[in-house]
Amino acid sequence: GENVEQHPSTLSVQEGDSAVIKCTYSDSASNYFPWYKQELGKRPQLIIDIRSNVGEKKDQRIAVTLNKTAKHFSLHITETQPEDSAVYFCAASGADYKLSFGAGTTVTVRA
Amino acid sequence: NAGVTQTPKFRILKIGQSMTLQCTQDMNHNYMYWYRQDPGMGLKLIYYSVGAGITDKGEVPNGYNVSRSTTEDFPLRLELAAPSQTSVYFCASSYRVAEAEQFFGPGTRLTVL
Repeated sequence: GENVEQHPSTLSVQEGDSAVIKCTYSDSASNYFPWYKQELGKRPQLIIDIRSNVGEKKDQRIAVTLNKTAKHFSLHITETQPEDSAVYFCAASGADYKLSFGAGTTVTVRA
Repeated sequence: NAGVTQTPKFRILKIGQSMTLQCTQDMNHNYMYWYRQDPGMGLKLIYYSVGAGITDKGEVPNGYNVSRSTTEDFPLRLELAAPSQTSVYFCASSYRVAEAEQFFGPGTRLTVL
């Protein structure tokens, strides 16, 4: 099955700075890569996703890039704000169509 | 729409007890999933269903059972609870199995003592 690794496990940034989270996956047949945000005590919610026929996607302060050759994808958050503090999960949908999640990155935005 | 709902929110079980975690969605989604979330471990798929009457195992199915008699409901059964099943359980649904947003329920925090 698919194996997704996520780095770093924790990330502390100054408000206004950028945050970058990186993920690698193992199944070359994977073609869907969503990112979920989970605030403390809440449910995971989709913030952005990218499909294998696209190299980059942006939504306001959030962007995701995908390198299929290297089998890695990244989440970029610009101009971070206190409400960006949360746990972020990457995931990949492999040949079996099931999502495999990374272990998560705890992002803390310092005021 | 209520989306995906789960009951109970919290539960404490003794070793060897059994219980059912309830999950209901009102979005008419065919696909439903059960995950467990352990600290620092991300979300692990327990079981999933592609429609009423059809279920299949995920990554960590041992100690659990599911059924899907209707499109709306997807209960998760724990038999003979063990401390290793202490976790937060999330139910999710999507309108298709791949390349689609999964909508999560609020979760059930289960402790087995």
